Amino acid sequence: GENVEQHPSTLSVQEGDSAVIKCTYSDSASNYFPWYKQELGKRPQLIIDIRSNVGEKKDQRIAVTLNKTAKHFSLHITETQPEDSAVYFCAASLIQGAQKLVFGQGTRLTINP
Amino acid sequence: KAGVTQTPRYLIKTRGQQVTLSCSPISGHRSVSWYQQTPGQGLQFLFEYFSETQRNKGNFPGRFSGRQFSNSRSEMNVSTLELGDSALYLCASSFRSQGWGNEQFFGPGTRLTVL
Repeated sequence: GENVEQHPSTLSVQEGDSAVIKCTYSDSASNYFPWYKQELGKRPQLIIDIRSNVGEKKDQRIAVTLNKTAKHFSLHITETQPEDSAVYFCAASLIQGAQKLVFGQGTRLTINP
Repeated sequence: KAGVTQTPRYLIKTRGQQVTLSCSPISGHRSVSWYQQTPGQGLQFLFEYFSETQRNKGNFPGRFSGRQFSNSRSEMNVSTLELGDSALYLCASSFRSQGWGNEQFFGPGTRLTVL
């Protein structure tokens, strides 16, 4: 069935270092891959997304790469800052034109000063 | 533009009761999706409504239902509550276009506790 796996479940990095979170999806029909950041007690907020017709997208310190052949995509955060500490979720849209997102289990990212 | 709003923010119910949660999407957004968030299962899709019609449904029992009104506001209902229904219920609205997923904007959620 539809499934998105996310690794690692927890990640601790030193401030200024880079962080990488990886996800794999099961259905090759997936065409939209957003990443959400959720701070404690707050709603998930989109930080970056990528569509299946591109392989990489960057927005300042955040980048996402997509490998359709291997069915995996990754989030890269460079020059991490304390405010990057949060839970990050990857997701995949498995139906064309629909708004059903299947989420990974989340990664708790901690930035150590 | 006002964001997605959900009411109530907190609810405490007992087993066997039913509950109705409400979601008002961003103005102009016609799609509303509902998700359940728990520590154990993470974020799970419940259903999506678009133009007052349920377009997709996740793997939840029939006790979970929803509807959408002509102004795009949506409600979800859970009947015969069980302890395991305790969760944060999030709704998300989006513009929705053909062929591609669109950014979903989440509301603050309704924290449901079943005793």
